[in-house]
Amino acid sequence: DPKIIQKPKYLVAVTGSEKILICEQYLGHNAMYWYRQSAKKPLEFMFSYSYQKLMDNQTASSRFQPQSSKKNHLDLQITALKPDDSATYFCASSPGTGGLEQYFGPGTRLTVL
Amino acid sequence: GEKVEQHESTLSVREGDSAVINCTYTDTASSYFPWYKQEAGKSLHFVIDIRSNVDRKQSQRLTVLLDKKAKRFSLHITATQPEDSAIYFCAASRPNSGGSNYKLTFGKGTLLTVTP
Repeated sequence: DPKIIQKPKYLVAVTGSEKILICEQYLGHNAMYWYRQSAKKPLEFMFSYSYQKLMDNQTASSRFQPQSSKKNHLDLQITALKPDDSATYFCASSPGTGGLEQYFGPGTRLTVL
Repeated sequence: GEKVEQHESTLSVREGDSAVINCTYTDTASSYFPWYKQEAGKSLHFVIDIRSNVDRKQSQRLTVLLDKKAKRFSLHITATQPEDSAIYFCAASRPNSGGSNYKLTFGKGTLLTVTP
């Protein structure tokens, strides 16, 4: 059974629209993260959450907003989508808040037309 | 900010041979260095890591070496098998003010192909 679930697996959106990427982890981990992997750049850290609190935000744009309704959920809302947002977005989690041994979800591949 | 360079974009070895993937980093304060494997169409899978208080760590056929002076670390895979074929990513992380190493900076990946 998958321990980190990301929905949807594929997502196509039009420029200017808004989408929410879902992430749930069933590993009992206390920290969760978002990363982005695009064709042009290596895998990039975006956010860190610990016990549902934002610990770090490395995205330059406020269009990216993480949302944590439960300790094991960390969704990512993206507004005013642009073609440059096209990428695979990975959710990850780690047992402790130190960030060691991060486990990655299967990813959501977002294409913005 | 930290930059991680992965020197080999592709690497091809014969089954049973050893493979070595090399990475360098720029931030002398980096203290945590994990490696991930990504098989075709799948997500990243943690394989091994090393912290800066040691210079070598082994787990079965995998060994990670860390040279802090040269800011270089490497993944050695012995007795390679076709199932080892994948993209391998190295990463580095410096601790924040609270001592956490959650912000991983990744290399671009090395595609390892093991031919039977």
